[in-house]
Amino acid sequence: AQKVTQAQTEISVVEKEDVTLDCVYETRDTTYYLFWYKQPPSGELVFLIRRNSFDEQNEISGRYSWNFQKSTSSFNFTITASQVVDSAVYFCALRRSQGAGSYQLTFGKGTKLSVIP
Amino acid sequence: NAGVTQTPKFQVLKTGQSMTLQCAQDMNHNSMYWYRQDPGMGLRLIYYSASEGTTDKGEVPNGYNVSRLNKREFSLRLESAAPSQTSVYFCASSVMTSGGPYNEQFFGPGTRLTVL
Repeated sequence: AQKVTQAQTEISVVEKEDVTLDCVYETRDTTYYLFWYKQPPSGELVFLIRRNSFDEQNEISGRYSWNFQKSTSSFNFTITASQVVDSAVYFCALRRSQGAGSYQLTFGKGTKLSVIP
Repeated sequence: NAGVTQTPKFQVLKTGQSMTLQCAQDMNHNSMYWYRQDPGMGLRLIYYSASEGTTDKGEVPNGYNVSRLNKREFSLRLESAAPSQTSVYFCASSVMTSGGPYNEQFFGPGTRLTVL
């Protein structure tokens, strides 16, 4: 069975601080896909990144960076110099690459990030 | 290009009433999905449609039915609403390539449903 754990339920930081959101996953598959989504207060889900399990290269996109470590089954998300607009709930998700359930995204319960001005 | 649209945005039902949530996408995606989001639970898949003409159960299908009307539209029906179905419902779509359904899903704005 697939499982995604986001142990941090809520995080508060002061604007311009760096913050890391943790994501730990469980799967028996050797190939799979990991995702991060952002859900701002307006409610929609915004896709941020997809990572293939065979590609452990870290990725940076502006103030966002992702650290994928297969050895520890973690896919952490760091926001550098946080801004108020980063306030949202962030979800980590896992998807099988093939087989039963491969259409399903298994979501973590989310981490609510509040950036205080 | 509107992406994924959902109607209605809000709905209040009484126990036992029925309703259909509508979803449409204009991105020419093959696959479409219905999720529900409950507080502290993340999102859970209700049903999905891998391609036009097919539908399959997800993690929490009980109490729901779906119809893939055409490539663009995927509806979710509650035949006899129950308070346990109070939730926010999201429709999503994704491209399915020859390698599999691993592409990211794009979500609609959600429908907030309350069942009294």
